[in-house]
Amino acid sequence: GENVEQHPSTLSVQEGDSAVIKCTYSDSASNYFPWYKQELGKGPQLIIDIRSNVGEKKDQRIAVTLNKTAKHFSLHITETQPEDSAVYFCAASTSNSGYALNFGKGTSLLVTP
Amino acid sequence: DGGITQSPKYLFRKEGQNVTLSCEQNLNHDAMYWYRQDPGQGLRLIYYSQIVNDFQKGDIAEGYSVSREKKESFPLTVTSAQKNPTAFYLCASSIFVVAGDNEQFFGPGTRLTVL
Repeated sequence: GENVEQHPSTLSVQEGDSAVIKCTYSDSASNYFPWYKQELGKGPQLIIDIRSNVGEKKDQRIAVTLNKTAKHFSLHITETQPEDSAVYFCAASTSNSGYALNFGKGTSLLVTP
Repeated sequence: DGGITQSPKYLFRKEGQNVTLSCEQNLNHDAMYWYRQDPGQGLRLIYYSQIVNDFQKGDIAEGYSVSREKKESFPLTVTSAQKNPTAFYLCASSIFVVAGDNEQFFGPGTRLTVL
């Protein structure tokens, strides 16, 4: 089955700096790659996603890049703010489980003022 | 308001008891999913359902059961056969699209603690 690896597990940046989180996947059939933000005690919220026919997507301070050949994708957050502090999860979707998501283990991002 | 609701928010269970977690959505989504989250871990798939009256096991289905009698409801039962049930349980739903690019929307979760 699909295996998604996510790095780093923790990341601390100063306010205003950029943050980058990287994920790799194993199943070349995966074609949908969302990123979720989860605050303590809450359900994950979709922040951006990318499909396999696109190499990059941007939404204000957040961007995602996808390299299908290398089977990795990355989340980029620019001009970080303290409210960006949360756990971020990457995921990949395959047909093997009804397009259920296979998640990475998460990155705990701390943005310090 | 449209969305996914889960109840209860917190649930306590004695060992040996079955317990059912509720998940309801009014988004008219075809597919629904149950995930389990443990501290420091990603989400792991328990069960999923693409249409009413049909569901499939995910990666960690042992000790769990589900039903899908209505499109908007997908309850999860944690049975006494589940050896380590204490966890955060998340329900999600999506428009079932064969192409696979289906956005999944998550509920607020239920935290289950076995006493």
